[in-house]
Amino acid sequence: AQTVTQSQPEMSVQEAETVTLSCTYDTSESDYYLFWYKQPPSRQMILVIRQEAYKQQNATENRFSVNFQKAAKSFSLKISDSQLGDAAMYFCAYRSARLAGGSEKLVFGKGTKLTVNP
Amino acid sequence: SQTIHQWPATLVQPVGSPLSLECTVEGTSNPNLYWYRQAAGRGLQLLFYSVGIGQISSEVPQNLSASRPQDRQFILSSKKLLLSDSGFYLCAWSVLTLYFGSGTRLTVV
Repeated sequence: AQTVTQSQPEMSVQEAETVTLSCTYDTSESDYYLFWYKQPPSRQMILVIRQEAYKQQNATENRFSVNFQKAAKSFSLKISDSQLGDAAMYFCAYRSARLAGGSEKLVFGKGTKLTVNP
Repeated sequence: SQTIHQWPATLVQPVGSPLSLECTVEGTSNPNLYWYRQAAGRGLQLLFYSVGIGQISSEVPQNLSASRPQDRQFILSSKKLLLSDSGFYLCAWSVLTLYFGSGTRLTVV
């Protein structure tokens, strides 16, 4: 079974600086998707960024970018120019490209709590 | 555009009482639907998923059940709540990517 590990329970960053959140995963599959979700204090889960494993190019969404290292099974999230509104729990997630029973189930890491200091 | 509605936002229920949480999706047909639970503000645990009306798959044995009476409606239920059922419950739908509702904070007292 696939597993997702986020080794940093908590991280902090100064406003306007850059921070990188780590994520590693374990899988025997070659085709899959990786995600970063953000959960602010409101607890709404918000999709931040998505990466397809077959794409070598790292995904980017405005200030958010990933460093996808397929051989190392690593998928880190970089937040540039950090803002106070970036403070949240960040979850890394894995989904197989094969539909298990017709569903698109995600496996989540335990999360990293990011604090942004003014 | 697609939207997902989940209610209630907060619920306090006594032990042994029944539970019904509802989730509806708008703007899409035949979505895959999911119920997740998040305990102690940490990781998410998949409880149930559904790929169609009346089709429910359970991921973990527990005191809860799910039903999908209509294409875009997903209900999480319990006949008798336990203290351990307390947590934050999230409904979600997916087409390649998982999109979540706003969640229900359930406290069993």
